[in-house]
Amino acid sequence: QQQVKQSPQSLIVQKGGISIINCAYENTAFDYFPWYQQFPGKGPALLIAIRPDVSEKKEGRFTISFNKSAKQFSLHIMDSQPGDSATYFCAARGGSYIPTFGRGTSLIVHP
Amino acid sequence: DAGVIQSPRHEVTEMGQEVTLRCKPISGHDYLFWYRQTMMRGLELLIYFNNNVPIDDSGMPEDRFSAKMPNASFSTLKIQPSEPRDSAVYFCASIPGEANTGELFFGEGSRLTVL
Repeated sequence: QQQVKQSPQSLIVQKGGISIINCAYENTAFDYFPWYQQFPGKGPALLIAIRPDVSEKKEGRFTISFNKSAKQFSLHIMDSQPGDSATYFCAARGGSYIPTFGRGTSLIVHP
Repeated sequence: DAGVIQSPRHEVTEMGQEVTLRCKPISGHDYLFWYRQTMMRGLELLIYFNNNVPIDDSGMPEDRFSAKMPNASFSTLKIQPSEPRDSAVYFCASIPGEANTGELFFGEGSRLTVL
């Protein structure tokens, strides 16, 4: 049973455009929602994270939007750059230390 | 500050051979995780340890897979005998117990190809 559903599976964006990746979760006990970025040949690394007491968190060009009632959260990459090309994973974590990951989104930003 | 260290980075072996993947977590981290990444299934949690004790191995796909953590600075994931469908990238990750911000620290992975 997939507890975190991520879409789209792949995304192609032109340089300067906005990249949007969406995730939905089922378990209302989740209280921490991180996004991980993975470059080819590397392990995933934490990009940005949010807790459900806020609806938005912004760090530079990266923004997480969180909708608690809809049990959805999304990553927005403004002014997308070729260097943003990577695989992005959303995740959700509850009382344990174990995050549940989405399937991942492969982002390609064309120059 | 050294991160999570995995070896080997690449392994090519033939079906039926034993494969051993190694991981050194970040010093002071109490939790260690083994993940498998494939295109079809994304990141799958295989097993995790707390203070060197296996806590949940329900993600280990078959008895051919085994994992050990003999001490706080070393863990192994063993596949015996290996099969072509085991081809994947295997990641080790660690987190501290206390002062846990929620961030998982991943190694760079071990890419396994079973011919």
